[in-house]
Amino acid sequence: EIVLTQSPTTMAASPGEKVTLTCLASSSVNYMYWYQQKSSASPKLLIYYTSSLASGVPDRFSGSGSGTSYSLTISSMEAEDAAIYYCLQLTSTPYTFGAGTKLELK
Amino acid sequence: QVQLKESGPGLVQPSQTLSLTCTVSGFSLTSYNVHWVRQPPGKGLEWMGRMRYNGDTSYNSALKSRLSISRDTSKNQVFLKMNSLQTDDTGTYYCTRGLGEDYWGQGVMVTVSS
Repeated sequence: EIVLTQSPTTMAASPGEKVTLTCLASSSVNYMYWYQQKSSASPKLLIYYTSSLASGVPDRFSGSGSGTSYSLTISSMEAEDAAIYYCLQLTSTPYTFGAGTKLELK
Repeated sequence: QVQLKESGPGLVQPSQTLSLTCTVSGFSLTSYNVHWVRQPPGKGLEWMGRMRYNGDTSYNSALKSRLSISRDTSKNQVFLKMNSLQTDDTGTYYCTRGLGEDYWGQGVMVTVSS
């Protein structure tokens, strides 16, 4: 099973601040996916195939990485970005999610 | 448009079997995979298993002995059955189209309690 380790666990950012979230995989994966979840809502896809922006997602979000190291960047934090972010690997079953990074507004 | 909706009992007794239904619209079960994902209260997401477009299934090995996923293509429904439920099976259960896409149901909260 591929374990995804997200860091930090929790962070706070001020409006306009650049935010970088990291996801490290225990084995190399082909691509990384990123989801955003607010309160009790269903997760929302932000990034697929490591760096492709999902439909309707603001372009302040971007993804990068390869092999075992991936990141999600928010170029300029906005209040609506406060949420929990999960990475997901679909390279091998069982598909696994990271434990999440909780991003708060400072 | 693509929609998925989970349904099932909100409360299940320990040791009993959970039965959930995912009713889909806007796409064909013979063209897309449907996954089940669950989330304990206040915790992260766990992939449970998948019904492939061709009828094949894959399961999370951690749940495989207790889990069964099936479908009825004529009714556009995918079913999840999990036996021997315990309190740590409490959580929100989601069905999704093609994990890695952005089509999720609203989720159904399941509480395991006597």
